[in-house]
Amino acid sequence: NAGVMQNPRHLVRRRGQEARLRCSPMKGHSHVYWYRQLPEEGLKFMVYLQKENIIDESGMPKERFSAEFPKEGPSILRIQQVVRGDSAAYFCASSRPSGNFDEQFFGPGTRLTVL
Amino acid sequence: DQQVKQNSPSLSVQEGRISILNCDYTNSMFDYFLWYKKYPAEGPTFLISISSIKDKNEDGRFTVFLNKSAKHLSLHIVPSQPGDSAVYFCAASKDNYGQNFVFGPGTRLSVLP
Repeated sequence: NAGVMQNPRHLVRRRGQEARLRCSPMKGHSHVYWYRQLPEEGLKFMVYLQKENIIDESGMPKERFSAEFPKEGPSILRIQQVVRGDSAAYFCASSRPSGNFDEQFFGPGTRLTVL
Repeated sequence: DQQVKQNSPSLSVQEGRISILNCDYTNSMFDYFLWYKKYPAEGPTFLISISSIKDKNEDGRFTVFLNKSAKHLSLHIVPSQPGDSAVYFCAASKDNYGQNFVFGPGTRLSVLP
């Protein structure tokens, strides 16, 4: 039973390019959460999705960031026109619909570096 | 403004001794607290939790203590093992819903053989 998968593990982009981060939840999980960890800081919640629906995006920056979780395929976090401040580790977690935090399982993360 | 603080960025402990990781928070509305462990190149893994109705929760070698009046919690690992070397995050929330947890910056624990 594969865990949460994220790809790519490392992504390098130049300023102004687009970054696409993918997250495949654990089998049987229909809810996905995205978090960002800036250097020397803790994880910060960005967005909470279920298939074809955004449940809570209160942690998402208002511009350049978007997320989706289509009926088929992985959840995607998309960052347009990246800037150096977007350099961070991006983690996704998945869960069953209960939503309790201790029932979330995290992926290994994608480390985004913006040159 | 950091609502959850872990003031020790790193901690070194001898194998077999006790490791004590500390966490302070500022929001008196927080009622649920979690500890996560993270190895390099892996995602965080849930370790242990506590709610405000308790002041202690134990799971094997791991015990979490909560002092609500002081807005302080601590994670005790005894005896410490080299495999415990990781970054430990504490997190706090007003409820137990995943998106509402606020994380501290983490403490890197090194258990020396």
